[in-house]
Amino acid sequence: GENVEQHPSTLSVQEGDSAVIKCTYSDSASNYFPWYKQELGKRPQLIIDIRSNVGEKKDQRIAVTLNKTAKHFSLHITETQPEDSAVYFCAHRGRRDSNYQLIWGAGTKLIIKP
Amino acid sequence: KAGVTQTPRYLIKTRGQQVTLSCSPISGHRSVSWYQQTPGQGLQFLFEYFSETQRNKGNFPGRFSGRQFSNSRSEMNVSTLELGDSALYLCASSLIPPEDTEAFFGQGTRLTVV
Repeated sequence: GENVEQHPSTLSVQEGDSAVIKCTYSDSASNYFPWYKQELGKRPQLIIDIRSNVGEKKDQRIAVTLNKTAKHFSLHITETQPEDSAVYFCAHRGRRDSNYQLIWGAGTKLIIKP
Repeated sequence: KAGVTQTPRYLIKTRGQQVTLSCSPISGHRSVSWYQQTPGQGLQFLFEYFSETQRNKGNFPGRFSGRQFSNSRSEMNVSTLELGDSALYLCASSLIPPEDTEAFFGQGTRLTVV
């Protein structure tokens, strides 16, 4: 069945620097790629998503890029701040057991060092 | 509008017992998904219901079951509880199947099995 690989599992960056998290998938028919953020003790929340008809989407300090040919998509956070510390999950629309469903990455723990 | 509501928030059960968790989705949402999250782990998909039908199921034993009612509220049941079932159980609702749109998570039910 379809899977998604997410790297790195832990990322530690200096406050103010940029952070990049990458996810790789294999289903060429995938067309929806959301990113969720889960702060400690809180519920996951969507922070940005992209559909396959665009290659990049930005929202203030956050951007997502999609490379359909290479089958990977990445989350970019610029000018990182302490409140960016959280676990980030990528996901995509993939097929498992003949049905489409949301396939999740294993998560990346982002640590912002002061 | 009201968010996704899960009850109870906390639960302590004994090995061998069974438990039922409840999820009330956002009004108008027809899809409800359930996830298990253990400390430091990602989101392990349990199952997804759409319009009272189970659309997708994860790789969990048959002790885990669920259902969805006509008002879209969903319950999941775990029978013959094991210590390893201790986890945060999250549900998420969406207007349409979650592989095509934003999923909204509840705060979760923290289950402890002793």
